[in-house]
Amino acid sequence: AQSVSQHNHHVILSEAASLELGCNYSYGGTVNLFWYVQYPGQHLQLLLKYFSGDPLVKGIKGFEAEFIKSKFSFNLRKPSVQWSDTAEYFCAVSQYSSASKIIFGSGTRLSIRP
Amino acid sequence: NAGVTQTPKFQVLKTGQSMTLQCAQDMNHEYMSWYRQDPGMGLRLIHYSVGAGITDQGEVPNGYNVSRSTTEDFPLRLLSAAPSQTSVYFCASSYGGTGAYSPLHFGNGTRLTVT
Repeated sequence: AQSVSQHNHHVILSEAASLELGCNYSYGGTVNLFWYVQYPGQHLQLLLKYFSGDPLVKGIKGFEAEFIKSKFSFNLRKPSVQWSDTAEYFCAVSQYSSASKIIFGSGTRLSIRP
Repeated sequence: NAGVTQTPKFQVLKTGQSMTLQCAQDMNHEYMSWYRQDPGMGLRLIHYSVGAGITDQGEVPNGYNVSRSTTEDFPLRLLSAAPSQTSVYFCASSYGGTGAYSPLHFGNGTRLTVT
């Protein structure tokens, strides 16, 4: 069964620091990849997604993610974080052959010190 | 306002009781799904539906039933509640039939406690 691993459970950074959150998945076939974010008290919302093409994907609010097929990874990055980026970040995967079954990772809580 | 509506927002049940969590969307989305969110475990997929009359199991379907008689509604039924089902439940919908090719729209969640 497919699975998604987010090894960083809680990351604490100062404003202007660079961010990289790890995401690894277990499925070896073609996948669709997502990052969702949940700001405090709000719904989950889509940050970015990858289906095919350029493995470097740009999303909203200055976030980007790189798909490295050989490493089964889809890490999220941001060059300079802001206090408003404090949130929980979820990586998600669906198999191309079963796109409806979207599996989420356990999430990474990001805290930004002002 | 358009969106995904979940009711109730809070519920306390005794072990063995049954109940239905309601989910409705008014965006004419084909795809709907239910997740539970537990600390340290993220969101786990319970059941999903790619259209009216079609449902399928997710990662953790045991103890839950669903049906999809209309495009708008996707209720989640707990047949005999157990303390292990204490969680926050989220309903999500998406345009199109897969849930993958357009963003998931999430409801506000139902916080369920089983004593």
